[in-house]
Parts: sequence; C-alpha cells; structure tokens
Amino acid sequence: KQEVTQIPAALSVPEGENLVLNCSFTDSAIYNLQWFRQDPGKGLTSLLLIQSSQREQTSGRLNASLDKSSGRSTLYIAASQPGDSATYLCAPRGSQGNLIFGKGTKLSVKP
Amino acid sequence: EPEVTQTPSHQVTQMGQEVILRCVPISNHLYFYWYRQILGQKVEFLVSFYNNEISEKSEIFDDQFSVERPDGSNFTLKIRSTKLEDSAMYFCASSEAAGTYNEQFFGPGTRLTVL
Repeated sequence: KQEVTQIPAALSVPEGENLVLNCSFTDSAIYNLQWFRQDPGKGLTSLLLIQSSQREQTSGRLNASLDKSSGRSTLYIAASQPGDSATYLCAPRGSQGNLIFGKGTKLSVKP
Repeated sequence: EPEVTQTPSHQVTQMGQEVILRCVPISNHLYFYWYRQILGQKVEFLVSFYNNEISEKSEIFDDQFSVERPDGSNFTLKIRSTKLEDSAMYFCASSEAAGTYNEQFFGPGTRLTVL
C-alpha cells in the first residue's frame, strides 16, 4: 500500500527565499506524480505533473524533480512571495488511476 | 480556462438523510473521480469512474455510497444514509485519460456537515 510522507509539515520563511519541499513515497511503481497547492478551505490547484519517465518539470518559479527509484520528489520554489502561502500536497499516481496524497507542507511566506 | 465545478458549496444534513453531491467535469474529460478530506486529514480517494462504470473504489466507498453520470455533463456522488463521520470536504476531479501524461483537475469541493 502506497504511503506518502511530506517533510517538513510546516515552514515559515521571509519573502524572497528559495525553498525546497520534500515528498517521499513507499511504492516506486508510479505512473506520475502531481504537486498541488491548497488554500485554506479551498480546492486543490494542480501545479505540476511529472511523468514517471521524467526527472524534472518546470513551471514559472516552480521546479519539481522526481527520483522514482528512491521514492522521492522535491518541489523547489524560487524567490518566494507572500502569495505562495498555502499547503502544498504531493500525490503520486499508481496503475489504478487514483492519487495518493501526503499530509502536505504548510508554507507561510512573511513579507 | 475549463474547470471542474461542484454544487452545492456547503451542504448541511441530518444523520440518516440521503445527500447527492453534484459535479460538472471538464467537457472533454473521460475519467472522473471523487475524493474526500476530513478536516485536518489527508485527501483520500473514494472512487474512479469511466465509461459509465466504476473503475476502482477504496475501502471507504461502501454500500452507502454510489456514483452516477445521469446525463452528458453531470457526475454525482450519493450517500444513502449519512453518518456523523461522513462530514468532510468532498472533491470531484476529472482527467482526459488515465495514462501517465494525464493530469487530474479538481473542483472547489462541497463541504458536507452531518448533524
């Protein structure tokens, strides 16, 4: 059974810092992995999808890496802004199609 | 930009009542999903649906739950007899296909409160 762990659980940084969010998963047989952001009481916004054959995927200030064999993904956020404050969720997808979510990293970017 | 929509945004019901949560997936998508998130906990998969039938379901998705695509645009989740522990945020998602290239897009959620 796939288990997803995200470290740290919470992170507070000053505006402008570059930061890394970590995700690990126990079953490396994944099809792809999505990173989402969730604002309080809101839905999930897809940030990046990284396919199992890819090592990296970039969108604007966001860069996601995937090391499938070691069961790890990282989300790198460059030049953080207060608007980046949210909970970031990692979700690998297995062969059955459903996403398995971690508990998330709650990010707070202080002006 | 196309998006998944869900209604209602908040539903309050009495224990034992039936509720139907509604979703309109993105129009060219073929795969549909329901997930839920109990307050303070992880998002959990409930069920996936393709070609008018259930593809996969989790242990949570017991006989109290059912899904339906009653017409060409709506996708519904029915809970027959709600329990207190069904209180959660329910998210609908859709994807174009189920392959490695296919991103799942989520709706804003329906907050279900069972009293």
